[in-house]
Amino acid sequence: KQEVTQIPAALSVPEGENLVLNCSFTDSAIYNLQWFRQDPGKGLTSLLLIQSSQREQTSGRLNASLDKSSGRSTLYIAASQPGDSATYLCAVRPPPGNTGKLIFGQGTTLQVKP
Amino acid sequence: GAVVSQHPSRVICKSGTSVKIECRSLDFQATTMFWYRQFPKQSLMLMATSNEGSKATYEQGVEKDKFLINHASLTLSTLTVTSAHPEDSSFYICSARALGQGDEKLFFGSGTQLSVL
Repeated sequence: KQEVTQIPAALSVPEGENLVLNCSFTDSAIYNLQWFRQDPGKGLTSLLLIQSSQREQTSGRLNASLDKSSGRSTLYIAASQPGDSATYLCAVRPPPGNTGKLIFGQGTTLQVKP
Repeated sequence: GAVVSQHPSRVICKSGTSVKIECRSLDFQATTMFWYRQFPKQSLMLMATSNEGSKATYEQGVEKDKFLINHASLTLSTLTVTSAHPEDSSFYICSARALGQGDEKLFFGSGTQLSVL
């Protein structure tokens, strides 16, 4: 059974810092991995999607890496801003992929202090 | 990008009543919609998968008679929590997979916070 774990559960950093969020999964047989942002009481915003054949994806100040063999992914946020404060979720899609089912981690709640 | 509208965003109800949550894809047709539930401090958990025109598939441990899902059209899926109890209080969120756009991207609604008194 696939399990997804995110560490740390919460993180507080001063504005401007670079930071790394961690995600681990128990079964390396994945279709893809996705990072989401969730603001309090709101839905999910997709940040980055990494296919199982890829090693990283970048969007602006965000960079996500994937190491399937070790069951790990990281989300790197450069030059953090107060507006980055949110909960970040990692989700794995098991194969074959056409089911659309996602398995989520518990999330990392980030607070960026001005 | 594609928009999924979910209503209501928040609902408070008395124990024993039924609550309906709607999920609409506004600018695309969704062949498949997914319903997730999130308890405080826990991860999102898939409850069921619904395909337009057919019965929903429920995950293990989810009572299909309690959580009624209807996906009558390619743009609308509803989740009805029947005879709600305080333990059903949770954050419910839907996601939709777009028709003809592969299986890579899922679009999420804004969620519904249900509080049962």
